[in-house]
Amino acid sequence: GQQVMQIPQYQHVQEGEDFTTYCNSSTTLSNIQWYKQRPGGHPVFLIQLVKSGEVKKQKRLTFQFGEAKKNSSLHITATQTTDVGTYFCAGRRTGGGNKLTFGTGTQLKVEL
Amino acid sequence: DADVTQTPRNRITKTGKRIMLECSQTKGHDRMYWYRQDPGLGLRLIYYSFDVKDINKGEISDGYSVSRQAQAKFSLSLESAIPNQTALYFCATSDLAGSGSYNEQFFGPGTRLTVL
Repeated sequence: GQQVMQIPQYQHVQEGEDFTTYCNSSTTLSNIQWYKQRPGGHPVFLIQLVKSGEVKKQKRLTFQFGEAKKNSSLHITATQTTDVGTYFCAGRRTGGGNKLTFGTGTQLKVEL
Repeated sequence: DADVTQTPRNRITKTGKRIMLECSQTKGHDRMYWYRQDPGLGLRLIYYSFDVKDINKGEISDGYSVSRQAQAKFSLSLESAIPNQTALYFCATSDLAGSGSYNEQFFGPGTRLTVL
């Protein structure tokens, strides 16, 4: 079945440093979504990417969808303590119906 | 999201007991999902439903069953709980935006289940 892996599993950064998490799918995706889960909370939708090579920005967050639509990345510039949490990518397989497969997640900790 | 509620929020039970987790939503969405979250494994889909009369297995449905009683309610049952079903369970809902794209999923607050 479809697998979606994320690296790294954990990342500790100093406040102000940049952070990137990478998402890789074993199959081609029709679209990819990103979610953030704060400690003790539930996943909250951040963004959706649909087109090959698409890049979207939300303030300090930059999201990319690979040309082959099998990988994606989330980059945070100048991290803040409010960025703490676990970031998940989630993709729908091309021709695979409506199921969303979540990645394994990257847990980000930001130290002052 | 306050529009998606789950009960109970925490539950401790013993091996072999039957457990039901309930999910209700006021978003008017047709699609509902049950996931379990385990450290390092992300969110894994257990069952999903696109309509009141529609039930579909996800990637880890063994040992679970569901009931879609109404558009707003989707229940998850563990007929005979076992310790490796100890996890954080999330219910989610979504709507269909249109051809070629899909709306995001809205998650409930989660139910932490411990099976002793």
